[in-house]
Amino acid sequence: AQSVAQPEDQVNVAEGNPLTVKCTYSVSGNPYLFWYVQYPNRGLQFLLKYITGDNLVKGSYGFEAEFNKSQTSFHLKKPSALVSDSALYFCAVRVSYSGNTPLVFGKGTRLSVIA
Amino acid sequence: ETGVTQTPRHLVMGMTNKKSLKCEQHLGHNAMYWYKQSAKKPLELMFVYSLEERVENNSVPSRFSPECPNSSHLFLHLHTLQPEDSALYLCASSQLAEQETQYFGPGTRLLVL
Repeated sequence: AQSVAQPEDQVNVAEGNPLTVKCTYSVSGNPYLFWYVQYPNRGLQFLLKYITGDNLVKGSYGFEAEFNKSQTSFHLKKPSALVSDSALYFCAVRVSYSGNTPLVFGKGTRLSVIA
Repeated sequence: ETGVTQTPRHLVMGMTNKKSLKCEQHLGHNAMYWYKQSAKKPLELMFVYSLEERVENNSVPSRFSPECPNSSHLFLHLHTLQPEDSALYLCASSQLAEQETQYFGPGTRLLVL
């Protein structure tokens, strides 16, 4: 079975400071990992994904995430937070070579960037 | 966000009504999905269509009935819903491969009275 955990319901950051949103996963096999963002009254927007190769993945809006196999983590980061980054962030995982099994989502982390 | 569209954006219905949610994708994808997003709960996968055939049905009550007439359109037919079915219903699409990204529509906010 595959699962993903986002240990923080809420993250508060001051504008201009670096931000981190945590994600850990559990799969039997190699993972495909995704980050999505959801603004109020909107659907989920794709930010970035890790498939293979370089452990540091760069995505939209200045976000990046680092795949750490030994710690089974895929934390989302941004060097300097903006107030407009305030939203709900979801991590998701799927096992590779799994026959297109469904994406499993974390419960989400609400990021609040304070001016 | 115009890659996947959903209508209506908001819907209020009584428990005895019948309504349908519509999703259309303009991305040339061959898989489509319905998800339910409720407050304080993880995203729930409801149905998956792959090449217009249903391949996943996660124990969804029969009062929800999906339809996929072609690879670009997906419907969710609703009848005799319960108040606990009130939620945001999200449609997504992707290419049929494990590493492919799912792209989401804006959702339909459903309120069942």
